[in-house]
Amino acid sequence: AQRVTQPEKLLSVFKGAPVELKCNYSYSGSPELFWYVQYSRQRLQLLLRHISRESIKGFTADLNKGETSFHLKKPFAQEEDSAMYYCALQPFYNQGGKLIFGQGTELSVKP
Amino acid sequence: DGGITQSPKYLFRKEGQNVTLSCEQNLNHDAMYWYRQDPGQGLRLIYYSQIVNDFQKGDIAEGYSVSREKKESFPLTVTSAQKNPTAFYLCASSIENQPQHFGDGTRLSIL
Repeated sequence: AQRVTQPEKLLSVFKGAPVELKCNYSYSGSPELFWYVQYSRQRLQLLLRHISRESIKGFTADLNKGETSFHLKKPFAQEEDSAMYYCALQPFYNQGGKLIFGQGTELSVKP
Repeated sequence: DGGITQSPKYLFRKEGQNVTLSCEQNLNHDAMYWYRQDPGQGLRLIYYSQIVNDFQKGDIAEGYSVSREKKESFPLTVTSAQKNPTAFYLCASSIENQPQHFGDGTRLSIL
């Protein structure tokens, strides 16, 4: 079965602390993986995708096929990073382009 | 910042009533999607359409219907058969092999 699991419902850290939002997936092939972010009162937007291998707003994510994980990391959290984060999987053979989302993790960065 | 427009922002449904949520995009995207967002459950796919006059069921299509008569429009009808319609509904669109763009959402409540 295709599934994305984000084990933490809420993650609370202090400003300047490192952040790691966990994402594990279950998929038999080679998926494409994404992180989407939803800031308060804003629409859901793409943060990064694994094939781009880029860093956005200081966040990075590495696909670990052995552990089937795609954890999101940032070395020094900022208050403006507080938001809801969703990990999503797209089957490689693009089954209609649909995305399978995890349950989401709310990140709260305290001053 | 156009892109994807969902209306209305808030919608109330009476017992036994069908209601229709609007989704319009001016991005010239071929594919469009409807997701349902519930607290603690992430986003779940209701229906998707890869091309005009064609659409497929997602994971939770029961109690919902869609149409795709125009490329830019993908309305979702929540029928009276949907027994638990209270949720936040998100529409998205994409072109092939590109990430999905999301609308602002419609919050549906029961009167």
